[in-house]
Amino acid sequence: AQSVTQLDSQVPVFEEAPVELRCNYSSSVSVYLFWYVQYPNQGLQLLLKYLSGSTLVKGINGFEAEFNKSQTSFHLRKPSVHISDTAEYFCAVGGSQGNLIFGKGTKLSVKP
Amino acid sequence: DTGVSQDPRHKITKRGQNVTFRCDPISEHNRLYWYRQTLGQGPEFLTYFQNEAQLEKSRLLSDRFSAERPKGSFSTLEIQRTEQGDSAMYLCASSRVGQGLAYEQYFGPGTRLTVT
Repeated sequence: AQSVTQLDSQVPVFEEAPVELRCNYSSSVSVYLFWYVQYPNQGLQLLLKYLSGSTLVKGINGFEAEFNKSQTSFHLRKPSVHISDTAEYFCAVGGSQGNLIFGKGTKLSVKP
Repeated sequence: DTGVSQDPRHKITKRGQNVTFRCDPISEHNRLYWYRQTLGQGPEFLTYFQNEAQLEKSRLLSDRFSAERPKGSFSTLEIQRTEQGDSAMYLCASSRVGQGLAYEQYFGPGTRLTVT
């Protein structure tokens, strides 16, 4: 069975500082990994995806993530955050039913 | 940009009433998914369609829930005899078909249901 663990429920960080949001996954099928961002009372926006190929993937808004098969991780990073990055971030893995399986989310709070 | 749209955005209903939500996917996408998200949780899968065929249903989808996609375009999700535990955000997503591509899902803004 597939599962996703997001290791931090909340991450506070100062503006212009680097940030890493951690995600570990478990999958018995082909691994497809995603990060989504959700702003209050809105749907989810796709930040980046790993389907195959290079293990370092770049997404929108300056975010990137690295697929590490040996550590079953897919951590999200940004070298310098902005106030506008304050949101909830979800890591997801492709499930055996054709669905996405999501973690519980990490709330990123960027302080001035 | 014609993304995924959902209607209504908010719905307040009394316990025991029936409610119906609509989702319009991205036009060239064959697959359409429904998820439910409760406070403090990630979205949980309910069901999905490929064209008009409902291919998978989660055990979360009780017999009070029914979904349709009659012409392979828009979809409706109906909840009969609503309960307070049905209060949640209902999210719709769509995707193409193909290795890995089916998991690249694009979400609508959601319908927030409150059952009083």
